[in-house]
Amino acid sequence: QSVLTQPPSVSGAPGQRVTISCTGSSSNIGAGYDVHWYQQFPGTAPKLLIYANNNRPSGVPDRFSGSKSGTSASLAITGLQAEDEADYYCQSYDSSLSVLFGGGTKLTVL
Amino acid sequence: QLQLQESGPRLVKPSETLSLTCVVSGDSISSPTSYWAWIRQPPGKGLEWIGTIYYSGTSYNKSLKSRVTVSVDASKTQFSLNLTSVTAADTALYYCAKGGPYTSSWYDYWGQGMLVTVAS
Repeated sequence: QSVLTQPPSVSGAPGQRVTISCTGSSSNIGAGYDVHWYQQFPGTAPKLLIYANNNRPSGVPDRFSGSKSGTSASLAITGLQAEDEADYYCQSYDSSLSVLFGGGTKLTVL
Repeated sequence: QLQLQESGPRLVKPSETLSLTCVVSGDSISSPTSYWAWIRQPPGKGLEWIGTIYYSGTSYNKSLKSRVTVSVDASKTQFSLNLTSVTAADTALYYCAKGGPYTSSWYDYWGQGMLVTVAS
């Protein structure tokens, strides 16, 4: 199991808002380390979606947003589109000097 | 534009050493704010950090530390992964990636990935 816990799957209809949670502990997210989010389509490398909790790289639509509170973080997608169907991963760092990834969440657009 | 490209054997026998290279173009591996990592993804599963090399050293996943070495070659244009005593559990898509500007930073550039199968 991953140290960062994500729901295995989430779903939503086009136009809706969905959120994906990433739960850690006091030694990683709760210790103040940033959370980053990636989007991955089948057969392709992960793509950076959100960095340092709530920042979007150039080219990422503002439909994607991130937040962090306590030992958890969330990725929100508003105005859900069919093209958003993908796997999403959170990433953080641990006081044991390890890079951590969440187990991933499969987003299905109904 | 930074580009990363993995290369190496796609088939490795059990108990042998998996060796991969990542060629970096468009950036300097020597940059003090760049962190060069190997990350893997078993088929149908999630991402797992393997290790990182940066200007002042290396850091490794503790579950793999006894078997992993990440190094930079003398030309400073590529970095490598050595994973010893492999088993079928090491079969995965291996990515090289660039992160920064600190150890807990994000990875903004990724190679396309290379599937390595461990089998006899």
